[in-house]
Amino acid sequence: DTAVSQTPKYLVTQMGNDKSIKCEQNLGHDTMYWYKQDSKKFLKIMFSYNNKELIINETVPNRFSPKSPDKAHLNLHINSLELGDSAVYFCASSQYSGTEAFFGQGTRLTVV
Amino acid sequence: GENVEQHPSTLSVQEGDSAVIKCTYSDSASNYFPWYKQELGKRPQLIIDIRSNVGEKKDQRIAVTLNKTAKHFSLHITETQPEDSAVYFCAASMAGGFKTIFGAGTRLFVKA
Repeated sequence: DTAVSQTPKYLVTQMGNDKSIKCEQNLGHDTMYWYKQDSKKFLKIMFSYNNKELIINETVPNRFSPKSPDKAHLNLHINSLELGDSAVYFCASSQYSGTEAFFGQGTRLTVV
Repeated sequence: GENVEQHPSTLSVQEGDSAVIKCTYSDSASNYFPWYKQELGKRPQLIIDIRSNVGEKKDQRIAVTLNKTAKHFSLHITETQPEDSAVYFCAASMAGGFKTIFGAGTRLFVKA
């Protein structure tokens, strides 16, 4: 049973399109995150959610809109995709902040 | 803002040698310091962590040391093996802070 799963694994799309990435965790964790990993492997936090509530928005453009329908799910919708959005996006969860984060397998987004 | 600096960015060692990766954090309120290993094309996974009330922790060939006064922490891998080749990330967070800041990563190559 996969602890943190995100779909799709690969996403290729044209500039200007809108796309969504879904994430689910079955660990019973309270806290979920979205991270962006660029081509240089730098992992940068985008959003933190705790019990469905947005806690951290790390100055991400408002084209990115996370949604947490319940504690186990945190989806990411991206409007008007740009070339610079190409990256690997990781969803993660932890029991609470300041504990081990479990990552999903990543979604490689390529904007052409 | 909070920052974690990690050095070196690339490290190449001979199989059987030791590898040391060093990190410095800026937020003195940080109290949880995990290390993640990311193999090529895979998700980051926790290999060891340390809390601020402990100065050193060891798990087989891996050890982490923490100097709270200097805000330094280090990862030590002994008797390196080719399967240790990966990107290693240090990170710092605070319980209740909902934000884990990652270092830029160290690409470790272990030559057989």
